[in-house]
Amino acid sequence: EAAVTQSPRNKVTVTGGNVTLSCRQTNSHNYMYWYRQDTGHGLRLIHYSYGAGNLQIGDVPDGYKATRTTQEDFFLLLELASPSQTSLYFCASSDAGGSSYEQYFGPGTRLTVL
Amino acid sequence: GEQVEQLPSILRVQEGSSASINCTYENSASNYFPWYKQEPGENPKLIIDIRSNMERKQTQGLIVLLDKKAKRFSLHITDTQPGDSAMYFCAAVNTNTGKLTFGDGTVLTVKP
Repeated sequence: EAAVTQSPRNKVTVTGGNVTLSCRQTNSHNYMYWYRQDTGHGLRLIHYSYGAGNLQIGDVPDGYKATRTTQEDFFLLLELASPSQTSLYFCASSDAGGSSYEQYFGPGTRLTVL
Repeated sequence: GEQVEQLPSILRVQEGSSASINCTYENSASNYFPWYKQEPGENPKLIIDIRSNMERKQTQGLIVLLDKKAKRFSLHITDTQPGDSAMYFCAAVNTNTGKLTFGDGTVLTVKP
């Protein structure tokens, strides 16, 4: 059974819309991450967290909020979506600082902002 | 923040030959260097990694080299097969912060 799940898998919204992307991991990992993937830019870190209630700013945080409600759940919020946020979003979890730094990725959410 | 440069962005090789991808990083605090493979329509998956206390690691046709002094690391795929065709990403991790920075990726095509 998939250890990192994301929902929705596809989302279309309009400019100015409010979007929440959800991620759940059952790996018992402490770290969770949100990335966006765009052609020519690879994977860019938006926000990450090392535990419930914690939030760390990534490299491309503008226009995004995030919240880690439990060890399992990490949400990415776009409160005023813009076309520049059209992208493929990946969530990942990691036991960083524990036995391994390997990141386990979810299946991705494709977001289109019209 | 950390910057990771990855070259080349596109790599085409003949089946059976070797393929090499090179990455450089800036932050000397980076101490873990994974490589991920991403097939079309799939998520990235770890294929090999190296920690800063090593200079070379090899597993199943993959070799990674790390030169800490030059802040450079590389992936070498020996005896490439069409199934090796994919996007490859290098990354640098500061294990003190848990933050991971990816390179922009290399699209590898192995021609039969």
